[in-house]
Amino acid sequence: QKEVEQNSGPLSVPEGAIASLNCTYSDRGSQSFFWYRQYSGKSPELIMFIYSNGDKEDGRFTAQLNKASQYVSLLIRDSQPSDSATYLCAVKVTGNQFYFGTGTSLTVIP
Amino acid sequence: SAVISQKPSRDICQRGTSLTIQCQVDSQVTMMFWYRQQPGQSLTLIATANQGSEATYESGFVIDKFPISRPNLTFSTLTVSNMSPEDSSIYLCSVWTGATDTQYFGPGTRLTVL
Repeated sequence: QKEVEQNSGPLSVPEGAIASLNCTYSDRGSQSFFWYRQYSGKSPELIMFIYSNGDKEDGRFTAQLNKASQYVSLLIRDSQPSDSATYLCAVKVTGNQFYFGTGTSLTVIP
Repeated sequence: SAVISQKPSRDICQRGTSLTIQCQVDSQVTMMFWYRQQPGQSLTLIATANQGSEATYESGFVIDKFPISRPNLTFSTLTVSNMSPEDSSIYLCSVWTGATDTQYFGPGTRLTVL
């Protein structure tokens, strides 16, 4: 079982809709959770991080963490074509090790 | 956030040669990492660059092929040795800042081996 799993997609949503990206992880000792956005040909860019159960909002982005179920999600409200990218979920475990998912490709259709 | 630069940004190299990639951070950081990302793939961790000691390599990566230096808390190099076309990839430097408990990535080096 991989440490971090994501649906590779592609996920397509119309402009203005809510995009929902999901990620599950296997290590119950995971401490910190991150979402990165990666445009084609560019390096990953940090969007959000979350440490505690519940929701964390930043503009159009909301990260949700449920440690009991071992999943973390990212919601993008009012999706824009500029949100089209690959979204990487990352988890930090004890010992400062990071594990990345394989990424979900999102396309926002104008 | 940390500002990270990498040199070169891209290069085209001949089979059998070596290339050294430099990573510079604008502040002292606890940990530096080197990743590889092949076309259409996710990130693969090559090694953790340790300041003042040998790098810690992940399974499938060896020091002879990917020697790494980290002489101080703001700089690291990765060398890709005896290159083959299979080494064509994007190589990414990243840093973890304990203060923010977050990992940031450099802009990457796009390597093509002919």
